[in-house]
Amino acid sequence: EVQLVESGGGLVQPGRSLKLSCAASGFTFSNYDMAWVRQAPTKGLEWVASISTGGGNTYYRDSVKGRFTISRDNAKSTLYLQMDSLRSEDTATYYCARRGFAYWGQGTLVTVSS
Amino acid sequence: DIVMTQAPLSVSVTPGESASISCRSSKSLLHSNGITYVYWYLQKPGKSPQLLIYRMSNLASGVPDRFSGSGSETDFTLKISRVEAEDVGIYYCGQLLENPLTFGSGTKLEIK
Repeated sequence: EVQLVESGGGLVQPGRSLKLSCAASGFTFSNYDMAWVRQAPTKGLEWVASISTGGGNTYYRDSVKGRFTISRDNAKSTLYLQMDSLRSEDTATYYCARRGFAYWGQGTLVTVSS
Repeated sequence: DIVMTQAPLSVSVTPGESASISCRSSKSLLHSNGITYVYWYLQKPGKSPQLLIYRMSNLASGVPDRFSGSGSETDFTLKISRVEAEDVGIYYCGQLLENPLTFGSGTKLEIK
């Protein structure tokens, strides 16, 4: 059974950093591109970033470029999202998802507030 | 960026009846490989989104065949036949053709 389990969310002040993790199991992690998608409270889905199987190619939405870094450790079957210089508008539930968004984690809530 | 426009904003359906949700993209989602990169997702209340339809018309694993997807290069439809109470939630279309990947704003399905 495919499982994606996010962790690392919480309350953080504007300008600070947070690192999210997503532990994958039930499939060969290194064979799949992965992504982060977020959902602000009561809002729709918003793609944040994607990473290729080997980690050599990464893609970001404009509003997080230069602030967020997606990475992966295939040996640990884990996806990461390093979030720096956080803003109030980054407040959302962050989901990790497998290529095509066929599988999603349960999400982890990030709240950016003073 | 490719804009995905969904309609209606919400729909109320009697159990056993059908429902259709439309999605329009601002650019053709037909790739040169012949695949149309539009996907449909359902987010049930309090849950993560789940994949329903991939590449416009392919039913995802475990999804009842009451769900079907169709369309052209820019206009797409999700049809739900014989709506059941478990189908309530917000339906999103999304395009996976190019970055930034984008989603429609969602259609809320309620049961009468």
